[in-house]
This record gives sequence, structure tokens and C-alpha cells, in this order.
Amino acid sequence: AQKVTQAQTEISVVEKEDVTLDCVYETRDTTYYLFWYKQPPSGELVFLIRRNSFDEQNEISGRYSWNFQKSTSSFNFTITASQVVDSAVYFCALSEDGNAGKSTFGDGTTLTVKP
Amino acid sequence: DAGITQSPRHKVTETGTPVTLRCHQTENHRYMYWYRQDPGHGLRLIHYSYGVKDTDKGEVSDGYSVSRSKTEDFLLTLESATSSQTSVYFCAISDSGSFFGYTFGSGTRLTVV
Repeated sequence: AQKVTQAQTEISVVEKEDVTLDCVYETRDTTYYLFWYKQPPSGELVFLIRRNSFDEQNEISGRYSWNFQKSTSSFNFTITASQVVDSAVYFCALSEDGNAGKSTFGDGTTLTVKP
Repeated sequence: DAGITQSPRHKVTETGTPVTLRCHQTENHRYMYWYRQDPGHGLRLIHYSYGVKDTDKGEVSDGYSVSRSKTEDFLLTLESATSSQTSVYFCAISDSGSFFGYTFGSGTRLTVV
């Protein structure tokens, strides 16, 4: 069975602070995919990044970076120099290979960035 | 044009009535999914489809049924709505299953009174 835990329910930071959102997953498969999605206050869900289990390279996209560590079953998301527009709920998700793409989501972390 | 649309966007219905939510895609993706979002529970899978007339249950399928008669449409039916089914429902599509992640619809906010 697959499971995703986002232990941080809510995080509040002041603009320009760096913030890391934690994601810990459980799976018995050796091939799987990890995702982050963003849900801004408007309510839509936006795909941010995908990682497969064979690629532990960290990724950076502008102010966003992701740290994937199989040894600790974690896929953490860092926002550098946070901005008010980063305020959203962020979901981490896991999908096992050959499972018709079914994803298991964490409960989400609500990030509030104050001016 | 959005590749995936959900209708209606909002609905209020009475307990015991049947309700159908529609998900329509123009991307010709094979996989379609229905999730519900509730506070403190993230998104939970209700049903999914891996092709026309090919559907299966997710983790919270009780009280729901689905149909997919065409590639582009995936219908979710609440057979007899209950207050516990008050939620935001999201449809998602994927071309290759898990590989690329989902594109989500805008969601349907359903209130059962």
C-alpha cells in the first residue's frame, strides 16, 4: 500500500524567507513517481514537478527546488525568497508504476506568506 | 481552451436525490480519475477509468458510480446523495498513467442539504 505524509499542516512565513515543505512516502514498489501540486486560493490544482524513483537528482526551477532522498523516503520542496503569490496549499503525491496512474496524495500543507 | 472541463461548477442538492457530475476532456487522454477533496484529507480517489467502458474503484467508492462511454467524457453519479458527500470533486486526466502527472479540472463544489 502506498502512503504519503505531509506532517506540516500549516506554515506561515514572512516574505523573502526560505521555506521547506516536507513529504515522506511509503511504497513497496521499486518503480514509482512522486509529484508536487499547488492549489492557490482560487482553488485549481496545478502540477509542479514529477520525479521517478530512479532519478535522485535534485531539481531547481527558479525559486523552487526539490530534494529527493530514497534513503529517507522523502521528497521535500523548498521555496527560496518566498513571495505572497506562493501562498497556497501544496500537495505531495505518489504513484506506483503499472497502477493505472492512481495517485495517493498527502493531506497538504497550507503555506501563508505574509508581506 | 481548457483541455478538461467539469460541470456543473457548483451544485446544491437535497439528501436522497441522485446527482451526476460531468468531466469532459479534449486531450484524448486514456486515463481519467475522480477525486474528492475534504479538509484534512487531501484528495482521495473515488473511481478511475483506463479506457472506454473500463473503470475501477478507488479508496472511497461507496455511494458512487461512474461511466465512460466515450474517451472524452467521464461521469460521476451519486446514487442517493448524503450529507457526507458534501465535498469538492476534481476530475483529472493523464495520458500515460502515472508517468507525467495529472491535469486537473477546475472542480465541482457539491453541497448536500
